[in-house]
Amino acid sequence: DIQMTQSPSTLSASVGDRVTITCRASRDIIRWLAWYQQKPGKAPKLLMYEASKLESGVPSRFSGSGSGTEFTLTISSLQPDDFATYYCQQYDSYSYTFGQGTKLEIK
Amino acid sequence: QVQLVESGGGLVKPGGSLRLSCEASAFTFSDFYMSWIRQAPGKGPEYISFISNSGDTTKYSASVKGRFTISRDNAKKSLYLQMDSLRPEDTAFYYCARFYGGNSWFFDLWGRGTLVTVSS
Repeated sequence: DIQMTQSPSTLSASVGDRVTITCRASRDIIRWLAWYQQKPGKAPKLLMYEASKLESGVPSRFSGSGSGTEFTLTISSLQPDDFATYYCQQYDSYSYTFGQGTKLEIK
Repeated sequence: QVQLVESGGGLVKPGGSLRLSCEASAFTFSDFYMSWIRQAPGKGPEYISFISNSGDTTKYSASVKGRFTISRDNAKKSLYLQMDSLRPEDTAFYYCARFYGGNSWFFDLWGRGTLVTVSS
C-alpha cells in the first residue's frame, strides 16, 4: 500500500498567519491527492482534489500544490474557523490511504 | 438536503457481529460508487470497502477482507456493512462516504458517522 506521511503533526499559528502543511507519498501518485478538514465530532470535509483543485464552496485562501510524491496545502491568512485537523488522501491506488493528520492549533 | 446518515453502531463483544446502515438523501444514489471508511479515536481515516453503483463490484482492505461485507439497495437508497468476527481493533467511528464520480476516487460527501466499540 502507498503510505502517506504528513508534517508537521501539530502546528500552532495565529489568526492572519500563512501556514503550509506537507504530505509525502511513498511512491509517485502523479496528482491524485485530496485534502480534507475535520473538526472535533464531525466528519471530514473535502477541501481540494487533484492536488490543486478547490472544491466548490471552499474559501480561496486555501490552495494546494505539488505532484509526484510531495504535496502542500497552504492557507494564506488563517481565520478562526480554520483551526481543525487536516488530512491528505491519495487515490492513485485502490488502497485510498490517508495521512495521519496535521492538527492546526491556535497559538 | 444532500446527506448521508449512518446507523447501527454500538457495543459488541469480540467475535460478535453488527450491521451498519447508511441512508442517502437528495441525490441520485444509484449513480454513485459508495464506500465505508473508519476512524479510530485519535487516528487518521482508513478506507475499508467500496461498492460500485450497481452493486456488482466490491473491494475490501486487507484489514477487513473475509470478515466484512458491503452491499446496497438502490431502491431504498441505502448502503450496508455487515461486520462479522469483530475484533477490538475494529473499534472506530464508521462513516459512509460517496465517491466524487467518474475516475475520481476521493470522497465528496460523508455521513456523520456511527461508533462501533468492540470490547468484552
